[in-house]
Amino acid sequence: AQRVTQPEKLLSVFKGAPVELKCNYSYSGSPELFWYVQYSRQRLQLLLRHISRESIKGFTADLNKGETSFHLKKPFAQEEDSAMYYCALRGNNAGNMLTFGGGTRLMVKP
Amino acid sequence: DAGITQSPRHKVTETGTPVTLRCHQTENHRYMYWYRQDPGHGLRLIHYSYGVKDTDKGEVSDGYSVSRSKTEDFLLTLESATSSQTSVYFCAISDLSMQYFGPGTRLTVT
Repeated sequence: AQRVTQPEKLLSVFKGAPVELKCNYSYSGSPELFWYVQYSRQRLQLLLRHISRESIKGFTADLNKGETSFHLKKPFAQEEDSAMYYCALRGNNAGNMLTFGGGTRLMVKP
Repeated sequence: DAGITQSPRHKVTETGTPVTLRCHQTENHRYMYWYRQDPGHGLRLIHYSYGVKDTDKGEVSDGYSVSRSKTEDFLLTLESATSSQTSVYFCAISDLSMQYFGPGTRLTVT
């Protein structure tokens, strides 16, 4: 079975502070990991996927297979980063299905 | 945004009534999904489709049925709505590289 855990439901930081949103997963094979972001009452948007190794809006995430983690980081948080963040895993399934974590709400205070 | 629309966007219904939510895509993607979003649970897969008339159950399928008679439309039906089905419902489509989400339907069962 595959599982994604985001241990923090809420993360509150001040503008300009570093941010790290944690994501841990369990999966027996080689997963593909994603971060999705949802701004207030909007649809989910893809932020990052580990295979592309991009930096989007200043965010980065590295897949650590040893620790089974895919933490999302940003060195200097901005107020517009306030949103819900979801970590998701895609295993080797025929339906191309994603398993989501419970989400972390990031609040960036001025 | 990928060409995904959901209707209705908001609905209030009474316990025991049938409800159908519609997802429509203009991308001609093979895979379509229905999720529900609840605080603390993230997104959970209800049903998915891998082609016309081909559907399968997800993690939380009890009380829900789906149909896909055309590539572009994926319907989610609550045969007899219950208060526990009050949620935000998201449709998603996939081209096998990643999933794209619709704007969501907020359903309240009173």
